[in-house]
Amino acid sequence: DAGITQSPRHKVTETGTPVTLRCHQTENHRYMYWYRQDPGHGLRLIHYSYGVKDTDKGEVSDGYSVSRSKTEDFLLTLESATSSQTSVYFCAISERQGKEKLFFGSGTQLSVL
Amino acid sequence: DQQVKQNSPSLSVQEGRISILNCDYTNSMFDYFLWYKKYPAEGPTFLISISSIKDKNEDGRFTVFLNKSAKHLSLHIVPSQPGDSAVYFCAAKRGGGADGLTFGKGTHLIIQP
Repeated sequence: DAGITQSPRHKVTETGTPVTLRCHQTENHRYMYWYRQDPGHGLRLIHYSYGVKDTDKGEVSDGYSVSRSKTEDFLLTLESATSSQTSVYFCAISERQGKEKLFFGSGTQLSVL
Repeated sequence: DQQVKQNSPSLSVQEGRISILNCDYTNSMFDYFLWYKKYPAEGPTFLISISSIKDKNEDGRFTVFLNKSAKHLSLHIVPSQPGDSAVYFCAAKRGGGADGLTFGKGTHLIIQP
């Protein structure tokens, strides 16, 4: 199994509060991704990173920001959480561009009340 | 506008029979296709993939077929086993991009004893 750790695994928070989810990898892979999974929508890309300090937006990036200061860590921040951001969040990694296979973490269940 | 479509939210198959999961795509720029399997409370795990230059790829009980002219792929599982009960996601990658995979909504496969 790819060495990907997501924290926390579960979080309940209130509308309007900031939330940061962490993805940590031990594989030294260059590419990292944040997806959210919602019923009826499958997995949708939020943001991705193609190197330290290099990030770009995905399909559903509104309301989210990311940071990558080290190869191993990719942080997803909800600046002011809303109920529509209640979801399961998955981090994924990929070795290099052209390596199409992504390896996923176990996910973070986030509930915004 | 969904670029990867899995039109069957669920599929029930008897143990030992063939399971056929279908996927359609609209983006002609996709050149690599993957199937992921997901159990509850776990991250998706890679199952099998196919490049657009091929029309079939086989790995044990799993075979993926690609019909480029119809923009259609299918996953065949023979014989189906109880452990195959899971949600299956079809995913596609745009050639040359670092922006990860585009996923379908998933099909929940239920293997009946």
